[in-house]
Amino acid sequence: GENVEQHPSTLSVQEGDSAVIKCTYSDSASNYFPWYKQELGKGPQLIIDIRSNVGEKKDQRIAVTLNKTAKHFSLHITETQPEDSAVYFCAASKANTGFQKLVFGTGTRLLVSP
Amino acid sequence: SAVISQKPSRDICQRGTSLTIQCQVDSQVTMMFWYRQQPGQSLTLIATANQGSEATYESGFVIDKFPISRPNLTFSTLTVSNMSPEDSSIYLCSVDAPGVGEQYFGPGTRLTVT
Repeated sequence: GENVEQHPSTLSVQEGDSAVIKCTYSDSASNYFPWYKQELGKGPQLIIDIRSNVGEKKDQRIAVTLNKTAKHFSLHITETQPEDSAVYFCAASKANTGFQKLVFGTGTRLLVSP
Repeated sequence: SAVISQKPSRDICQRGTSLTIQCQVDSQVTMMFWYRQQPGQSLTLIATANQGSEATYESGFVIDKFPISRPNLTFSTLTVSNMSPEDSSIYLCSVDAPGVGEQYFGPGTRLTVT
């Protein structure tokens, strides 16, 4: 089955710096890669996603890149703000196959210091 | 995105008892999912619930321990049966979204078993 690895487990940056979180997946049939942000005491919030027919996607200060050959994808946050502090999870699935199971990475705790 | 609510938001239960968690969505959805998030850990899929059919359980999870109901397209319940301290976790429901593969999560139910 699919296995998703995520690094680093913790990441501390200064406000205004960039943050990068990386994930690798094992199943070459996976075609959908979402990123979730989970704040303390809340459920995961979908912040951006990318599909296998796209190499990069941006939404304001966040972007995701996908390298299908290497089977890895990354989340980039620019101009970080204290409110970006949270746990971030990557995931992978084989969407549109009738098998929508999301397999999650282990999470990255991001701390943005003022 | 869909608005998802869960009840209860948290509970403290005694060993050997059962707890039923409710998940309500503000729109009709095809698939609902139940996840477990153990303290400080990632999310693990328990089962997928489609309306009108038996839930599909992931490896390591069984119906006797985690019975699920899906009576209509906006509601589902997960019961945690014969609880032990190892069942202390956050239980999250999610729903599929119009975008293929997308899932949105509820706020979670924080369960402590003593």
